[in-house]
Amino acid sequence: AQSVAQPEDQVNVAEGNPLTVKCTYSVSGNPYLFWYVQYPNRGLQFLLKYITGDNLVKGSYGFEAEFNKSQTSFHLKKPSALVSDSALYFCAVRDRGDYKLSFGAGTTVTVRA
Amino acid sequence: GAGVSQSPSNKVTEKGKDVELRCDPISGHTALYWYRQSLGQGLEFLIYFQGNSAPDKSGLPSDRFSAERTGGSVSTLTIQRTQQEDSAVYLCASSLGGSNTGELFFGEGSRLTVL
Repeated sequence: AQSVAQPEDQVNVAEGNPLTVKCTYSVSGNPYLFWYVQYPNRGLQFLLKYITGDNLVKGSYGFEAEFNKSQTSFHLKKPSALVSDSALYFCAVRDRGDYKLSFGAGTTVTVRA
Repeated sequence: GAGVSQSPSNKVTEKGKDVELRCDPISGHTALYWYRQSLGQGLEFLIYFQGNSAPDKSGLPSDRFSAERTGGSVSTLTIQRTQQEDSAVYLCASSLGGSNTGELFFGEGSRLTVL
């Protein structure tokens, strides 16, 4: 079984400040990890993924995420948030032996000017 | 097309009626998923198609829900005798398949409202 937890329903930050969106996962084997963003009334857009190799992965729009196996975490980060980053963010996990992608409940990010 | 296309974008129906939601995946993508997104909730897996293999229907919430994929391309999700709790956004996604490292590409969804 695989599952994802996003412990914060909402994250509020000021523009220019660092942004972190937390994610922890549970899989029976080794994970493939993904982050998606959803803007209002739009579908989900892929941001980045961890498959193997370097634990720090970089993605679209200046976002990055760090895979931490010991803490089973894959937190999303951005050094300097923009108002346009305000959206709903989803973390997702897939067991390497599976095809099904399991999503967290999502975290609403609000960046205030 | 360039992306995953879903129709209708909005559907309002009366309780008890049947609805069909359509998904046209990215050309060449052999894997197709349906998810349901309810207000304030995450994405709930419904069904998965991969090529000509038997679909994984394990996420369908009841026997009122069914889906098919014709010719390995377009998929239709059918909800019979709709209930108010079926109101949600139904998202379709496709991926290259053949490997499970690939990301899913999502359509913009079909918003279903059951009155």
